[in-house]
Amino acid sequence: EAQVTQNPRYLITVTGKKLTVTCSQNMNHEYMSWYRQDPGLGLRQIYYSMNVEVTDKGDVPEGYKVSRKEKRNFPLILESPSPNQTSLYFCASSPGMGLATGELFFGEGSRLTVL
Amino acid sequence: AQSVSQHNHHVILSEAASLELGCNYSYGGTVNLFWYVQYPGQHLQLLLKYFSGDPLVKGIKGFEAEFIKSKFSFNLRKPSVQWSDTAEYFCAVNSGGYQKVTFGIGTKLQVIP
Repeated sequence: EAQVTQNPRYLITVTGKKLTVTCSQNMNHEYMSWYRQDPGLGLRQIYYSMNVEVTDKGDVPEGYKVSRKEKRNFPLILESPSPNQTSLYFCASSPGMGLATGELFFGEGSRLTVL
Repeated sequence: AQSVSQHNHHVILSEAASLELGCNYSYGGTVNLFWYVQYPGQHLQLLLKYFSGDPLVKGIKGFEAEFIKSKFSFNLRKPSVQWSDTAEYFCAVNSGGYQKVTFGIGTKLQVIP
């Protein structure tokens, strides 16, 4: 089954404790991205990756890191989480970005609470 | 830079009522346009998409959207909503050559039985 898998789905942590949210897709998609969803703000892009070893900042990259060492995986790293990073996070993938493309396939979401 | 505006943030309708959700985007060139739906507690799923061709696009579950280039709009419609359509709806745009998909802030639709 084609899917985007995120882990963990739920996490409560404390300020400053490094954490990683994993994301894996089995569709051989080149493009992957992380979004955060907050009430009243919709989805905002954190980072994206056009392909292996190619990553770039989205609209709200502060406090986050990513890596793309393999095509299927795109982990999101919070080196020193803060309470303002409490949010619902979605990983998404796409065959590519450009004309007649750009459809995103989303993971189930990871709800993160930072105390 | 591309941006998306959704005008209705919270809509309440009775079953069988007609629905139209507004969406406007800012980019003036070639665009790919999308509507996604997020049912309570679930992830986003694609409702429909427009790349080119017929500006009236039909999607799943009886939804359709019309691309009006002169108005920079891509409004979502459904002739008769059901209780199961209760969800949050997001309009999104990817402009030609731009490596991002930008989302609107979403419209929460509540359908009353």
